[in-house]
Amino acid sequence: DSGVTQTPKHLITATGQRVTLRCSPRSGDLSVYWYQQSLDQGLQFLIQYYNGEERAKGNILERFSAQQFPDLHSELNLSSLELGDSALYFCASSQTLVGGDTQYFGPGTRLTVL
Amino acid sequence: GEDVEQSLFLSVREGDSSVINCTYTDSSSTYLYWYKQEPGAGLQLLTYIFSNMDMKQDQRLTVLLNKKDKHLSLRIADTQTGDSAIYFCAEKSNYGGATNKLIFGTGTLLAVQP
Repeated sequence: DSGVTQTPKHLITATGQRVTLRCSPRSGDLSVYWYQQSLDQGLQFLIQYYNGEERAKGNILERFSAQQFPDLHSELNLSSLELGDSALYFCASSQTLVGGDTQYFGPGTRLTVL
Repeated sequence: GEDVEQSLFLSVREGDSSVINCTYTDSSSTYLYWYKQEPGAGLQLLTYIFSNMDMKQDQRLTVLLNKKDKHLSLRIADTQTGDSAIYFCAEKSNYGGATNKLIFGTGTLLAVQP
């Protein structure tokens, strides 16, 4: 158990809908990262937050957004869902931003868009 | 640029050693990681190596880094059926100003035959 929790574990929804994925980082970790794992794209970095502020963006679609709250939990919002958004979404956390700071991953949320 | 490549599949017999290889392109990478993903599960951190090291040993795991060739390998001694999983190599990248995002390889499926 990494100490990172993600809810829900599974999510099934229809095209055009909007969903919210939630992540609670390990106790004391200030940085949260979101990754998407799909068959065709592999594991890709989406976005990073540190202590409530956005720090880096990767291959995140404009239909997707995220935020980190004062209690450090984070939410990833996916809207106008398409079939191709079906994937496993991982959250990871680390203590700070410095090099060598290991990222610990949550169990993931499996999103299926029908 | 950022690109991490791995061979897709490796099959070994129980008790043999497994060697999983990875090549990366970002010469500024300071840390390189190995993660394990079992079926239906999240990513488990196995080990990591700092770029000024050539080798790191951790019980049955040995990581070798050839920085000149940008080549990383993970050796698993006395491979067991429980080691069957997908193994991901990842580099910590600050490319493009991002802070500490991980760039993952395609993953190597290790199949251990009894």
